[in-house]
Amino acid sequence: DAGVIQSPRHEVTEMGQEVTLRCKPISGHNSLFWYRQTMMRGLELLIYFNNNVPIDDSGMPEDRFSAKMPNASFSTLKIQPSEPRDSAVYFCASSSVHDSTPLYEQYFGPGTRLTVT
Amino acid sequence: KQEVTQIPAALSVPEGENLVLNCSFTDSAIYNLQWFRQDPGKGLTSLLLIQSSQREQTSGRLNASLDKSSGRSTLYIAASQPGDSATYLCAVKYGQNFVFGPGTRLSVLP
Repeated sequence: DAGVIQSPRHEVTEMGQEVTLRCKPISGHNSLFWYRQTMMRGLELLIYFNNNVPIDDSGMPEDRFSAKMPNASFSTLKIQPSEPRDSAVYFCASSSVHDSTPLYEQYFGPGTRLTVT
Repeated sequence: KQEVTQIPAALSVPEGENLVLNCSFTDSAIYNLQWFRQDPGKGLTSLLLIQSSQREQTSGRLNASLDKSSGRSTLYIAASQPGDSATYLCAVKYGQNFVFGPGTRLSVLP
């Protein structure tokens, strides 16, 4: 398996622009997580989906952030409008969670480094 | 508030030493605890996952223990190698939430 795939790997944009980050989870995994990592705040969970349904979005910082998972193999995290303080590395992770094996062991993608100028 | 802390923040050891990394959590009602390593500019790689009902997990030179009552987990690395140099993070699952520690930055010197 190719693992969790994220695109783009790097994104540089100007303040006010819309940014869309993409994630393809590991095939067969039914949970997907979006994280943000900064030097100041470390790794923070933004939102997670189970079977394509958002379960907990309490970590989403503001209404400017939105996430979707239209199917089991694709998710997007959108920031509109972007601000310089959104600059961070955004990680996507996936996990296989079933009633018989609720491990929640997470596998991370390589991340998208976002710079908003 | 559910918080996860890790000590030390950074550690530098000569090759071959056995070492222990510590993770502490404030709320003992955890679902599981997972240890990761992160190389500079890379994503996180899962090392070990311990369920709340377990006491330890082992993988190769790595051994992770869990003591829920005291709110602690340790990651033991035996016979450290320069390739072990990375940042090690622990993550605790509480209900629907995942809380990460700030990490311990490990340097193993040849």
